[in-house]
Amino acid sequence: GQQLNQSPQSMFIQEGEDVSMNCTSSSIFNTWLWYKQEPGEGPVLLIALYKAGELTSNGRLTAQFGITRKDSFLNISASIPSDVGIYFCAGYYGGSQGNLIFGKGTKLSVKP
Amino acid sequence: DSGVTQTPKHLITATGQRVTLRCSPRSGDLSVYWYQQSLDQGLQFLIQYYNGEERAKGNILERFSAQQFPDLHSELNLSSLELGDSALYFCASSAWGQENSPLHFGNGTRLTVT
Repeated sequence: GQQLNQSPQSMFIQEGEDVSMNCTSSSIFNTWLWYKQEPGEGPVLLIALYKAGELTSNGRLTAQFGITRKDSFLNISASIPSDVGIYFCAGYYGGSQGNLIFGKGTKLSVKP
Repeated sequence: DSGVTQTPKHLITATGQRVTLRCSPRSGDLSVYWYQQSLDQGLQFLIQYYNGEERAKGNILERFSAQQFPDLHSELNLSSLELGDSALYFCASSAWGQENSPLHFGNGTRLTVT
């Protein structure tokens, strides 16, 4: 079946550093979504991307829909302790009423 | 606040028992999804309903079942519970059916089977 490869699996960084994570697949996706999950809570939508090449920001977060439509990345600039959590990518494939799959997540830890 | 409501927040029960988890989607969303998340694991898709009909099925055990009612709320029934069923169960809703809409998640039900 379809798979999303999300990397890295975990990251330990110092406060103030920039962070980059990505999702790749061998298949074409027509929508990419990025979520953040904090302990004990449900995932919260950060950014949605709908067109190849699209670059969208949400505060210190920037995400891009890869030109090949097979990948997406999320950057966090100048990380702060509250950025801690698990970041999930998700992608729709199979048309405008497609199927959604999730990556396995990137666990981010930030040292003050 | 995502607008998706899940009850109960916590549930502790014994092996062999049956429980029902409830979800109210965001106003206007016709599609409901159920996911299971075990400790430090990713989100495992269980099942999706759209406007009362089952639309997609994932890795849902035969001991588990779900339904979506005419008022669009959904229930996930877990029976013959085993220790390994202990997990967070999330409901999400979307406007799927019109576009590739983002999912909006509730805060989950934490199930502990003892």
